[in-house]
Amino acid sequence: ETGVTQTPRHLVMGMTNKKSLKCEQHLGHNAMYWYKQSAKKPLELMFVYNFKEQTENNSVPSRFSPECPNSSHLFLHLHTLQPEDSALYLCASSPVGGAGNQPQHFGDGTRLSIL
Amino acid sequence: SQKIEQNSEALNIQEGKTATLTCNYTNYSPAYLQWYRQDPGRGPVFLLLIRENEKEKRKERLKVTFDTTLKQSLFHITASQPADSATYLCALDIIDRGSTLGRLYFGRGTQLTVWP
Repeated sequence: ETGVTQTPRHLVMGMTNKKSLKCEQHLGHNAMYWYKQSAKKPLELMFVYNFKEQTENNSVPSRFSPECPNSSHLFLHLHTLQPEDSALYLCASSPVGGAGNQPQHFGDGTRLSIL
Repeated sequence: SQKIEQNSEALNIQEGKTATLTCNYTNYSPAYLQWYRQDPGRGPVFLLLIRENEKEKRKERLKVTFDTTLKQSLFHITASQPADSATYLCALDIIDRGSTLGRLYFGRGTQLTVWP
């Protein structure tokens, strides 16, 4: 059973809507990540938070806005999205960020569809 | 530029055989390499991690090798079972130029199907 919970599991929204994705981890980790997974493409890292501080923004458009109120919770606020933003959005956590010797624990993602 | 290749999109093998998946990379010298399993509609699940100074790592029916000269990792599943059917992802730990923290770069994955 995953220690990383994402809600909602599915989301359909129009291009003018505003919605938020939520991620919660119960593993006591200090780093949290947002990834985008599109068909036939590798996972794309979007944002990294380490001890609640954003340490990476991988050239993500401003229509995606992350928020990390504490080490256990991560949000992705969405507004004015484009059809090409339709994808599976995955949240992950690890004990600390930037340490390649630590596995990342993923949630089961939010399947986002933009109409 | 960064490039990670997993040998094929799909691999089909018969139950009981050994599945071998390949991960090749260029332009990197990663200190660590990780393998994940992903089932449809689920997030990736960590399987194994291998360090650059390790040649081989084993866990039950799984074996990973890491050849930094060839810039290649092989992932083996022995005595494969239909339940092993999934997509397998390799990931490299890379520190980008100008950054002090590493991050994982993932391959596109290989979809393994084990048929009875």
